[in-house]
Amino acid sequence: GQSLEQPSEVTAVEGAIVQINCTYQTSGFYGLSWYQQHDGGAPTFLSYNGLDGLEETGRFSSFLSRSDSYGYLLLQELQMKDSASYFCAVYTGGFKTIFGAGTRLFVKA
Amino acid sequence: SAVISQKPSRDICQRGTSLTIQCQVDSQVTMMFWYRQQPGQSLTLIATANQGSEATYESGFVIDKFPISRPNLTFSTLTVSNMSPEDSSIYLCSVRPRERISYNEQFFGPGTRLTVL
Repeated sequence: GQSLEQPSEVTAVEGAIVQINCTYQTSGFYGLSWYQQHDGGAPTFLSYNGLDGLEETGRFSSFLSRSDSYGYLLLQELQMKDSASYFCAVYTGGFKTIFGAGTRLFVKA
Repeated sequence: SAVISQKPSRDICQRGTSLTIQCQVDSQVTMMFWYRQQPGQSLTLIATANQGSEATYESGFVIDKFPISRPNLTFSTLTVSNMSPEDSSIYLCSVRPRERISYNEQFFGPGTRLTVL
């Protein structure tokens, strides 16, 4: 079967750093993506890791270790507007992407 | 980037009826996808719709229940047929623009929130 595991919920304070982990087990793997979704909104793309290592985009960074079937999203200098759900997603090939169950991030003042 | 609109944004329907959801993209795209999302849950791929070919359905989804049309490179429809309360969900249209293929970036429409009574 295919599975992506990520924590269901994370809480952090404004200004802090939070890491959301994702482990995956899929029949094919080309890369790991992260999406953000605010309540009532559409998912929006944050990052993609096709190779091992760290990708940085502003306050957000994403990491991938293909040998460990593991990745994470790192959010720095948390802001209240970062409160949202974050989905890891695996591109398995054939133009198909599988999404994790999502991690709900609560940022407190 | 791609800007996607969906109609209707929400609807309340009676069981046994059908609803057609429209998806319009502001640019031509080859790959278009339809997802279903229960509130607070993950996105489940229903089917992939490419212009000029039959849609490809994922396990658990069949054409009789979710017929899809893709008449051109900017438009698609998903019909939810013979609805039951279990079909209550958010239905999302998504595209993968050619220029973002190497990033595996998908753009999503705002979704159609369907409630079946």
